[in-house]
Amino acid sequence: EADIYQTPRYLVIGTGKKITLECSQTMGHDKMYWYQQDPGMELHLIHYSYGVNSTEKGDLSSESTVSRIRTEHFPLTLESARPSHTSQYLCASSKDPFTGELFFGEGSRLTVL
Amino acid sequence: GDSVTQMEGPVTLSEEAFLTINCTYTATGYPSLFWYVQYPGEGLQLLLKATKADDKGSNKGFEATYRKETTSFHLEKGSVQVSDSAVYFCALRTAGNKLTFGGGTRVLVKP
Repeated sequence: EADIYQTPRYLVIGTGKKITLECSQTMGHDKMYWYQQDPGMELHLIHYSYGVNSTEKGDLSSESTVSRIRTEHFPLTLESARPSHTSQYLCASSKDPFTGELFFGEGSRLTVL
Repeated sequence: GDSVTQMEGPVTLSEEAFLTINCTYTATGYPSLFWYVQYPGEGLQLLLKATKADDKGSNKGFEATYRKETTSFHLEKGSVQVSDSAVYFCALRTAGNKLTFGGGTRVLVKP
């Protein structure tokens, strides 16, 4: 089993609140990713990191921000949540740059009222 | 840019039926190809992969062959079980070790 954890699994909050979704992995992987999964199941890359102090925006524009201060930790923050941010957020990590295999967490389902 | 197209679901089958999920891709060069599976309430997990043309990936009774001439990577299983009910994603690895996913295909296997 992959050792990558996301918290919270479910979160319901009001508009305007600040939220942070946590993602941690114990595999020592350099590369980490955040995907947003819409209700139609499609996955969109919103952020990625190739190592400590490295973060990049993904293919889908997002109002969220990320940080990578430690190898094992890759939190995602929304400063002011809106109903349009309601979605499932999946964190993933990988080590080998050639196999492309990603290990996913179980996801954080965010609902903004 | 690179993209993946897979058949829309849901696909509903009876147990022991044959399953095929079509996947085609557009990419520069020769990308690695993957099938991921997402069981209800869980994250995605790698099902199988192929890294070059004519490679066949296989796992848990599922198979897919990397066909460069048709730019396809169709997933097949000869006899499905109720436990195979899940969402299946085709994906390709782009430059920079990022994965581009297809839209997912929901499969429901009935007893």
